[in-house]
Amino acid sequence: GEQVEQLPSSLIVQEGASVLINCSYTDSASVYFPWYKQEPGKRLQFIIDIRSNMERKQTQRLTLLFDKKTKHLSLHITATQPGDSAIYFCSASISASSGQKLVFGQGTILKVYL
Amino acid sequence: AQTIHQWPVAEIKAVGSPLSLGCTIKGKSSPNLYWYWQATGGTLQQLFYSITVGQVESVVQLNLSASRPKDDQFILSTEKLLLSHSGFYLCAWRPGQYAEQFFGPGTRLTVL
Repeated sequence: GEQVEQLPSSLIVQEGASVLINCSYTDSASVYFPWYKQEPGKRLQFIIDIRSNMERKQTQRLTLLFDKKTKHLSLHITATQPGDSAIYFCSASISASSGQKLVFGQGTILKVYL
Repeated sequence: AQTIHQWPVAEIKAVGSPLSLGCTIKGKSSPNLYWYWQATGGTLQQLFYSITVGQVESVVQLNLSASRPKDDQFILSTEKLLLSHSGFYLCAWRPGQYAEQFFGPGTRLTVL
């Protein structure tokens, strides 16, 4: 079945720095890739997504790049703030007639200090 | 606006005891519903999904079962808990195929 690998497992940066989180998947049938953020004590929150017919998507300080050939995604966060501290998860979604399977990466713990 | 609730907030249960966790969606008809499990410090693993009442698909086998008795309700249960069932259980719904999932607040389960 689909496997999603996410690196690095953790990042510690100073406020204002940019960070890059990489994600790779194995199943070429995956067509949709949402990313989520999990802050301590808060609900898992959607942050950005991309479909397999796109190469790039940007929203505010987030840029998501997708390479279908290499089955690789990368999330770039610019001008980080302490409020960005959270666990970030990439995921890959495979559609089935009876629903949709979503496989998550292991998560990247981001800590932004002042 | 749609809201998603989970109950209980937390449970401490003994190995071998039964379990029932609930999830309710309000403000959305016929949602696609999902159960996830997250081990402490671990990734999320999809357990079940359901696109309609009475229909549930299993994704992984963890000695758990799920049911959808009503359009807005999703239940996760087992008759006999294992230590390995400890973790965080999340319910989610999504409005469409290429749409984000909205997650509930989760239930923290500790099995002793």
